[in-house]
Amino acid sequence: DQQVKQNSPSLSVQEGRISILNCDYTNSMFDYFLWYKKYPAEGPTFLISISSIKDKNEDGRFTVFLNKSAKHLSLHIVPSQPGDSAVYFCAASPRGRGGKLIFGQGTELSVKP
Amino acid sequence: DTEVTQTPKHLVMGMTNKKSLKCEQHMGHRAMYWYKQKAKKPPELMFVYSYEKLSINESVPSRFSPECPNSSLLNLHLHALQPEDSALYLCASSQDGTVLTEAFFGQGTRLTVV
Repeated sequence: DQQVKQNSPSLSVQEGRISILNCDYTNSMFDYFLWYKKYPAEGPTFLISISSIKDKNEDGRFTVFLNKSAKHLSLHIVPSQPGDSAVYFCAASPRGRGGKLIFGQGTELSVKP
Repeated sequence: DTEVTQTPKHLVMGMTNKKSLKCEQHMGHRAMYWYKQKAKKPPELMFVYSYEKLSINESVPSRFSPECPNSSLLNLHLHALQPEDSALYLCASSQDGTVLTEAFFGQGTRLTVV
């Protein structure tokens, strides 16, 4: 039973354009969401997070949008750069289970020069 | 220093061996975690230590034994593992296991059980 789903295993985008990575969840008890980026042979690196009381959080080129009614969040990267090429994981934290993260399957982003 | 350091980076062990994975952080974080990641799968939580006490055990088999000697160190003792336990083992830490803050991950230990 996959509680956090990233339905696109891969995404290819041209340099300078927008990358949009999507994530859906099923558990309404999630109250904090995070995006991580992972290069091969490295651990995940935290990118950006959003609390369930917000619908948008922005940090430089990265913006996360949360639509609670649709149980959907997305990560926008603008403009995309070749160095952004990596696997992106969406993660969610259940209320009252402090510290636990449930990850989606990941989306491999490739930014072409 | 925003690093979580894991040793060793790679480990090959037999099914009768006993080995330990080590994790260290010096960010003053009071929560530390072990995750397991199989190929092409997302990381899955194994254990959470909060203020040096085990707070979450995700029904992990007893052949995996965590230990938190102090707030900066986290070990994972391995004994009588199976080949299907081969995976990337990730350690993470966060400021406090009871509040919602981002976790910082180490590079992982690539474990192969033969």
